[in-house]
Amino acid sequence: GAVVSQHPSWVICKSGTSVKIECRSLDFQATTMFWYRQFPKQSLMLMATSNEGSKATYEQGVEKDKFLINHASLTLSTLTVTSAHPEDSSFYICSAKVHGTSGGGYYNEQFFGPGTRLTVL
Amino acid sequence: SQKIEQNSEALNIQEGKTATLTCNYTNYSPAYLQWYRQDPGRGPVFLLLIRENEKEKRKERLKVTFDTTLKQSLFHITASQPADSATYLCALGAGGFKTIFGAGTRLFVKA
Repeated sequence: GAVVSQHPSWVICKSGTSVKIECRSLDFQATTMFWYRQFPKQSLMLMATSNEGSKATYEQGVEKDKFLINHASLTLSTLTVTSAHPEDSSFYICSAKVHGTSGGGYYNEQFFGPGTRLTVL
Repeated sequence: SQKIEQNSEALNIQEGKTATLTCNYTNYSPAYLQWYRQDPGRGPVFLLLIRENEKEKRKERLKVTFDTTLKQSLFHITASQPADSATYLCALGAGGFKTIFGAGTRLFVKA
């Protein structure tokens, strides 16, 4: 199956600093990448959707100036949490999607990265 | 509003038994439904996808059913093993880019 990596796997930072998280599709080109946030025992909450070369589409309630997303290539997307605060501490997960048609059918598979644990002190 | 419900209570079963997890949804007409496995501190791993025109799909010890009338999917793990212990997420898609996830059900399989 397709592999998506994230870096770093965990990060601890001081309040007010910015943190960048990288998401890479290792063996395929992702037409679309997603960024999710997950709090303990809760579902994945979609933050934004990005397509290579275009601006990300943010979900309602997600501040685009706070969570900067850059999708410079078909294999790399980055999420920068600017001026991080303790309430931004969470598990951030990216995913990459490949979709299209094959054999008369429609496929739409999403592959997730291992996640990045962010702790803001 | 669109809602996905999975049993928030953990499911505890004995090794060798069949685990059955439920996913119900409202105000949504998904083109497909997916099940993922998530281990603590890890990203979800895709297990199965079932389309709206499919009633049932199997993969090894896994079976998924999809009832668009009841707006429900059942996820079965037969001959369960302790290694199957994890959180299982239900997710709905509508053919576009978005996928909506349920909160997941935690499964514990006792040896």
